Amino acid sequence: GQQVMQIPQYQHVQEGEDFTTYCNSSTTLSNIQWYKQRPGGHPVFLIQLVKSGEVKKQKRLTFQFGEAKKNSSLHITATQTTDVGTYFCAGLRMTTDSWGKLQFGSGTQVVVTP
Amino acid sequence: EAQVTQNPRYLITVTGKKLTVTCSQNMNHEYMSWYRQDPGLGLRQIYYSMNVEVTDKGDVPEGYKVSRKEKRNFPLILESPSPNQTSLYFCATRQFPPAAEAFFGQGTRLTVV
Repeated sequence: GQQVMQIPQYQHVQEGEDFTTYCNSSTTLSNIQWYKQRPGGHPVFLIQLVKSGEVKKQKRLTFQFGEAKKNSSLHITATQTTDVGTYFCAGLRMTTDSWGKLQFGSGTQVVVTP
Repeated sequence: EAQVTQNPRYLITVTGKKLTVTCSQNMNHEYMSWYRQDPGLGLRQIYYSMNVEVTDKGDVPEGYKVSRKEKRNFPLILESPSPNQTSLYFCATRQFPPAAEAFFGQGTRLTVV
């Protein structure tokens, strides 16, 4: 079954508001990645977090990796209409072949109203 | 330009009629994989390949086949499609960890009636 859970599945946000999407893994991860998929598009890589407790920012987006490397969050401040889309987290769990398995969460679909 | 190219983008077919979705990459990545995307289920891996002639099952391989005869190509084959294979399919490549980000193709919207 799916080992990376992501909540909420759906987020309706007023323009200018903040929101957060959360990602939880049942196992310790080597790293966590975040992707954005615009409506009708394909997932595009945003960022990768590797270290325990790591925090990274991209303009209005703040990404965190938990201390135990099992959870992560994406916080968007002052949401804009350009933030519309589905955000996926993907946890990389190392495997014996050394390539690792990238396990995607179910995604958070974000709708922004002006 | 670095690209992962899938064809076709849209396909409507009938139950039982064999089809192939092609995937080609120009990034010289060894790792390629296929995902299907369904509402509420996210991206689930169907098959993956770590190198030429090396393929392995992902999380949902039933009803699918793949081949990797060349490094750049990784076609997805549905020998006898069924309606439950109606989905959005993505091909993706990856580099070796730790730089393990995935690069996705444009997607193929498949409808089986």
